[in-house]
Amino acid sequence: GDSVTQMEGPVTLSEEAFLTINCTYTATGYPSLFWYVQYPGEGLQLLLKATKADDKGSNKGFEATYRKETTSFHLEKGSVQVSDSAVYFCALEVDDKIIFGKGTRLHILP
Amino acid sequence: DAGVIQSPRHEVTEMGQEVTLRCKPISGHDYLFWYRQTMMRGLELLIYFNNNVPIDDSGMPEDRFSAKMPNASFSTLKIQPSEPRDSAVYFCASRIAGGPYNEQFFGPGTRLTVL
Repeated sequence: GDSVTQMEGPVTLSEEAFLTINCTYTATGYPSLFWYVQYPGEGLQLLLKATKADDKGSNKGFEATYRKETTSFHLEKGSVQVSDSAVYFCALEVDDKIIFGKGTRLHILP
Repeated sequence: DAGVIQSPRHEVTEMGQEVTLRCKPISGHDYLFWYRQTMMRGLELLIYFNNNVPIDDSGMPEDRFSAKMPNASFSTLKIQPSEPRDSAVYFCASRIAGGPYNEQFFGPGTRLTVL
């Protein structure tokens, strides 16, 4: 069935470091792909999205490119901040539902 | 808009008791989703509604769980009887049909502890 696999955390980086969180998916057809972020004590919120192959989603300095050939949607940021500390979820849309990965916890040290 | 509202934010109960979680979706949204989040299993979709009608409840773990949406502005998730393994954070989310990106808007969650 359809699924999302993302790298396990926690990921710990120093401020201003480069970030990559890997995500691959399995799906029939061409689903829309998402990254959601969850800050401590809050619900998830949409970070960025891509709807078709080679689309790049971007928001708040984060980027991810929909790669059909490698079925991947890796999240990147050039220079992370302490405020980016959160849990990041890769996800895909199937019919009306969103299937989430297990989440990657990110810690940014000052 | 106030966003998705969930109550209570925290619930502590004893095994065997009935628990009712409540959700008010964003006004005008057609879809409502209930999720459960645990460390072991991550974020699981339990059930979702479209225009107050349950569409897919295949994620409901067992008959002890039930969900209703009596009108467009209110939904409940009930666990009866509750068990310690039901301890989790339960999220409600809503979205509008045909909206940009089909973005789901999440509530702050209800942290349930069953002793």
